[in-house]
Amino acid sequence: QVTLRESGPALVKPTQTLTLTCTFSGFSLSTSGMCVSWIRQPPGKALEWLARIDWDDDKYYSTSLKTRLTISKDTSKNQVVLTMTNMDPVDTATYYCARIIDSSGYDAFDIWGQGTMVTVSS
Amino acid sequence: SYVLTQPPSVSVAPGKTARITCGGNNIGSKSVHWYQQKPGQAPVLVIYYDSDRPSGIPERFSGSNSGNTATLTISRVEAGDEADYYCQVWDSSSDPVFGGGTKLTVL
Repeated sequence: QVTLRESGPALVKPTQTLTLTCTFSGFSLSTSGMCVSWIRQPPGKALEWLARIDWDDDKYYSTSLKTRLTISKDTSKNQVVLTMTNMDPVDTATYYCARIIDSSGYDAFDIWGQGTMVTVSS
Repeated sequence: SYVLTQPPSVSVAPGKTARITCGGNNIGSKSVHWYQQKPGQAPVLVIYYDSDRPSGIPERFSGSNSGNTATLTISRVEAGDEADYYCQVWDSSSDPVFGGGTKLTVL
């Protein structure tokens, strides 16, 4: 059974750096085709893709946020870490990690974590 | 960047058919995925590659995609289908895009 679980602080102050961890099971990020993405959703709003890391360590970032994001993986721990710098109240959202099995380059997010709510406030 | 347009809301009576659209420029040339999100829960994939259903998704859920519109169709709607639905495509091989979401209300 494939599962993903997000963890991190529930509250961060403006200008601080957010670090989120996605811990997964049921698959390995060293297996060809496996990818993990981060997606966020502000309260009452739509989903927004943030970043992705692939089994071969290729990394991709949202054009609008790429200067603030860093994604990395620890294959031995089955974890993917996302850092976002210079947090602002508009970054208040539920942050999800989700898996992609890359077969065509246009695949779906087939399994999602439960999400972790992050509030940015002083 | 590529824009996906969904109606904010769709209402349907139980037992009827709901159709949720997702508009985009020549979206028929792209693969469309659909997600269901119930209140307080994470999204769940319900349709991938325009019309395929993941294991465990009822046959009542189907999808189509042509021209400038993709459609998620839910037949014999049940109260448990009430949720937000999001369409998603890849703008390029590295940039996924989501629609604004449609709230399905079962009357």
